[in-house]
Amino acid sequence: SAVISQKPSRDICQRGTSLTIQCQVDSQVTMMFWYRQQPGQSLTLIATANQGSEATYESGFVIDKFPISRPNLTFSTLTVSNMSPEDSSIYLCSVGTGQGAWNTEAFFGQGTRLTVV
Amino acid sequence: QKEVEQNSGPLSVPEGAIASLNCTYSDRVSQSFFWYRQYSGKSPELIMSIYSNGDKEDGRFTAQLNKASQYVSLLIRDSQPSDSATYLCAVNGRGTGRRALTFGSGTRLQVQP
Repeated sequence: SAVISQKPSRDICQRGTSLTIQCQVDSQVTMMFWYRQQPGQSLTLIATANQGSEATYESGFVIDKFPISRPNLTFSTLTVSNMSPEDSSIYLCSVGTGQGAWNTEAFFGQGTRLTVV
Repeated sequence: QKEVEQNSGPLSVPEGAIASLNCTYSDRVSQSFFWYRQYSGKSPELIMSIYSNGDKEDGRFTAQLNKASQYVSLLIRDSQPSDSATYLCAVNGRGTGRRALTFGSGTRLQVQP
């Protein structure tokens, strides 16, 4: 499986500021995703990061709040903008591999634990 | 109805016993299913994938899939305290056209020494 490096691993941020999370993969991957995991909860998909085009956002997530870049097949960033305490969560980068359109196995970076104060 | 449902637990089993974790899904056209293990403070780790009806065994783990009943399970034989974690069931998004996986809320497993 691909090696996924995510940074920062954790941060404490002031409300109203923005944080950019980076995800670097050691090989080219077609599919990259960003998930959020709130305390005690499961993973919620924020968006699919598309190489060379705008990300595809899930219901409840918007580009102005969570802008995503994917300049190439090994790198993506997620920015959490104008943060509030409700954004405190773990943010996870994920890559999908597999044969066929629907046999995607997902692998995760180590996550970014964000606390907004 | 949630897309992927799991009992949150905790499921407590003694060391050496079989732990049985269950998951149901709502989208009938889903065709790939996964079990992830997540230790506290860590990211999810893939432990099993299954695509066809029946059983798939890998070491102490057995995944079972019944598409007619929209049910997938994970058996852990000879449970060890190190198996104590949250187990997440995940399903592909074929019905929604979403390539990313949809996760259940997870079942917390506690293996008692």
